[in-house]
Formats: sequence, structure tokens, C-alpha cells
Amino acid sequence: QKEVEQDPGPLSVPEGAIVSLNCTYSNSAFQYFMWYRQYSRKGPELLMYTYSSGNKEDGRFTAQVDKSSKYISLFIRDSQPSDSATYLCAMSNSGNTPLVFGKGTRLSVIA
Amino acid sequence: GAVVSQHPSRVICKSGTSVKIECRSLDFQATTMFWYRQFPKQSLMLMATSNEGSKATYEQGVEKDKFLINHASLTLSTLTVTSAHPEDSSFYICSAENPSSRDSEAFFGQGTRLTVV
Repeated sequence: QKEVEQDPGPLSVPEGAIVSLNCTYSNSAFQYFMWYRQYSRKGPELLMYTYSSGNKEDGRFTAQVDKSSKYISLFIRDSQPSDSATYLCAMSNSGNTPLVFGKGTRLSVIA
Repeated sequence: GAVVSQHPSRVICKSGTSVKIECRSLDFQATTMFWYRQFPKQSLMLMATSNEGSKATYEQGVEKDKFLINHASLTLSTLTVTSAHPEDSSFYICSAENPSSRDSEAFFGQGTRLTVV
């Protein structure tokens, strides 16, 4: 079993839809959870950064962490064509250890 | 916010030559930088951890003599792909930790697309 599992998609939704992206993981030591957005041929950019369990909201984005289930989610409300990208989940044991990434989910928002 | 600059963004080289990729933290000092490689439709895979003033730590399966890492200053780490071959063609990304940010947040460079012909 891989440390981090993420459905690669592709996921195609109409503009304005709510998007749900998920990752599961096996390492219970993970404490820091991140979501990155990566446009084609670009480096990943940080969207959300969460410590331990709970929810975090930033504009149209909501990140949820359920450590008991080893499951994290990213919700995108009112999705826009500009949200079309690959979304990678990432996690680490502590703030100064390398990140373990999911495979990324390719999202297309259709106008 | 914190910025990590990676250069070049794209490079094409001949098989057998060496290529150097630079990763700079522009507004903070990074004692630790990470180098990742990403093949098409794959996730980022950690290659090595670069520590300022000491030898890099390589992940299993990554040849340290082929992927030379130098972290000579607190703002610059370089990755040199020596004797490059077509199978080294990939997207290379660095990240640097800002020790002053909350939980030593990691910031990524723009990535370098290496094509070996």
C-alpha cells in the first residue's frame, strides 16, 4: 500500500459545481496536511495548509482532515474554469520533513 | 509571500552532457531544501534533501554521483544532472523551507523541464 493514495481522475465538472477531492493515507504519524495546485508545466503552488484534524476555509476552498479515518478532503465551491489544474495532496510528519505527495487529481471545469 | 526561484525553467541538452539547475530562496534563508522529480502523470517523488553546509541525503534508488547537489549558501542549492540520458528527462522541482514561517512552511520553485535528446 502506498503511503498516500489519490484518485488521478480526470474529473470533469460544469462551472459553478462543488468539487470534492480526496486523499487517504496510511502513516498515522502525519501531522501536516497540504493541498497544492499545479498548472501544466508549472511548479505546485500551496492552496491550503492544515495541522492535525479539523476544517479550514479560505475563500472558495475548504480543507478537511479526519485523522481517525486517515482521510483528507479539499472542497472547491463555485468552481471556475480557472480552477482547471492538477490538485496534489501532500503530508508530512513535522514541519521540517519532506512532503509525501499523492499522485494528483486532474480537474477540468467546463464553462 | 516567500518566493523560491528556480532556473532554468526549461532546458534541452544532448545525451552525455551535464545540466545544472539552481534553486534560490529570494527573501528568506533556507537551511533545508528538497529536490523532487516528477514524471508525466506521476506525483512528485523526493530525490534528496539538501542541507546547507553538509552533504545531501539521497532517497533510495537515487544515484548521488549522477545527481550532484550543492547547498553552499543559505539561499542557493544546485542540482547537477551529470552525463544526462534520455531517461533523465523529467520535471525537476525544488522546495525550500522558511524556518521563520508557521511550521516551517515549504515553498516550491517553478520547476525545470529537462529534455535529454
